[in-house]
Amino acid sequence: AQKVTQAQTEISVVEKEDVTLDCVYETRDTTYYLFWYKQPPSGELVFLIRRNSFDEQNEISGRYSWNFQKSTSSFNFTITASQVVDSAVYFCALSEAQQNFVFGPGTRLSVLP
Amino acid sequence: EPEVTQTPSHQVTQMGQEVILRCVPISNHLYFYWYRQILGQKVEFLVSFYNNEISEKSEIFDDQFSVERPDGSNFTLKIRSTKLEDSAMYFCASSEPSLAGGPPSDFGPGTRLLVL
Repeated sequence: AQKVTQAQTEISVVEKEDVTLDCVYETRDTTYYLFWYKQPPSGELVFLIRRNSFDEQNEISGRYSWNFQKSTSSFNFTITASQVVDSAVYFCALSEAQQNFVFGPGTRLSVLP
Repeated sequence: EPEVTQTPSHQVTQMGQEVILRCVPISNHLYFYWYRQILGQKVEFLVSFYNNEISEKSEIFDDQFSVERPDGSNFTLKIRSTKLEDSAMYFCASSEPSLAGGPPSDFGPGTRLLVL
């Protein structure tokens, strides 16, 4: 069965600090997708990244970077030089091929000025 | 850039009433989904829909729920007799044909349903 764990329930950092949000997943499939979403206080789900299981290259997009490690079944998300606008709940999600998402429980990030 | 839209953004209803939540998926997408998120909890899968029929549904999606694609653009979720525990944010999503039924990456902004 699919499972996603986000061990950090809440994180608080001060603006300009770097912060890493952890995501560990479980799957028996060799083909799967991993996702990160941001949910700001307004409630919508903002898509950040999709990664398939065959692409282990790490990715950087501006202040965001993702570290995909199949050996440890982790897909961690780092925000560099955090800003107050980064405050949100961040969800990691897993989808096995032809099936639907399993979301992690989310990590609430608070960036303090 | 095309996006999934949902109406209404908020809905308040009395317990036992029927509600219909509406979604307009991205036009070339063929796979449609509903998810819900009870306040403060994680996002949960409800149902997926392809080729005018349900392709998968979760345990949450019981006989009180139904989905329909009444025309070429809308995708609706109906709750026949709402319960207090149906209060949640409901997200619609869709995915493109190239993902062959794979996971959606495009979510609508959500409809916040409050059942009193």
